[in-house]
Amino acid sequence: QIQLVQSGPELKKPGESVKISCKASGYTFTDYAMHWVKQAPGKGLKWMGWINTYTGKPTYADDFKGRFVFSLEASASTANLQISNLKNEDTATYFCARSRELDYWGQGVMVTVSS
Amino acid sequence: DIQMTQSPSSMSVSLGDRVTITCRASQDIGNYLSWYQQKPEKSPKLMIYGATNLEDGVPSRFSGSRSGSDYSLTINSLESEDTGIYFCLQHKQYPHTFGAGTKLELK
Repeated sequence: QIQLVQSGPELKKPGESVKISCKASGYTFTDYAMHWVKQAPGKGLKWMGWINTYTGKPTYADDFKGRFVFSLEASASTANLQISNLKNEDTATYFCARSRELDYWGQGVMVTVSS
Repeated sequence: DIQMTQSPSSMSVSLGDRVTITCRASQDIGNYLSWYQQKPEKSPKLMIYGATNLEDGVPSRFSGSRSGSDYSLTINSLESEDTGIYFCLQHKQYPHTFGAGTKLELK
């Protein structure tokens, strides 16, 4: 069955970096884009952007340009999200989700940024 | 960016009720509209895609409809497992945009 399994929770200090992974199984990884979604505590969903899993080309929403990097380890069917120079407002759960329709989601990774 | 105005923000409902949640798109999105259910501490689950298509495994009491720029999710005969937060998503145009969510609670 199709699964997206994300890495575990992270506790970081402001200014540090974090890398989150999303391992896909049950389908051909390069056939579907991977999208990333942010959910701050008690808030709604915000689309961050997506990465073309065939070409590796990322596309970022305006609010996520600069400190956010989408990357792939295609041989491992894994998509990654790296956030640098972490700020308090980056505290959130980050989801990966498959395809334009966001039909399958990872379980989410809680990133807490606190001094 | 396309704005998705979702209403209501919350509903207190009873078992067996018929529930309707609506999203209004600020621009034409065709049928590029999905509905998701999110339970506490869980990831969203796709319920409806293409505005009106029921995702595999989703109970038939759920349905989606469109009238112009208004998109609705209807739950017929609400069951206790249907509580949670419901979001719409437009994926016609980047950036994808979500509705603010509707929290469905039992009275």
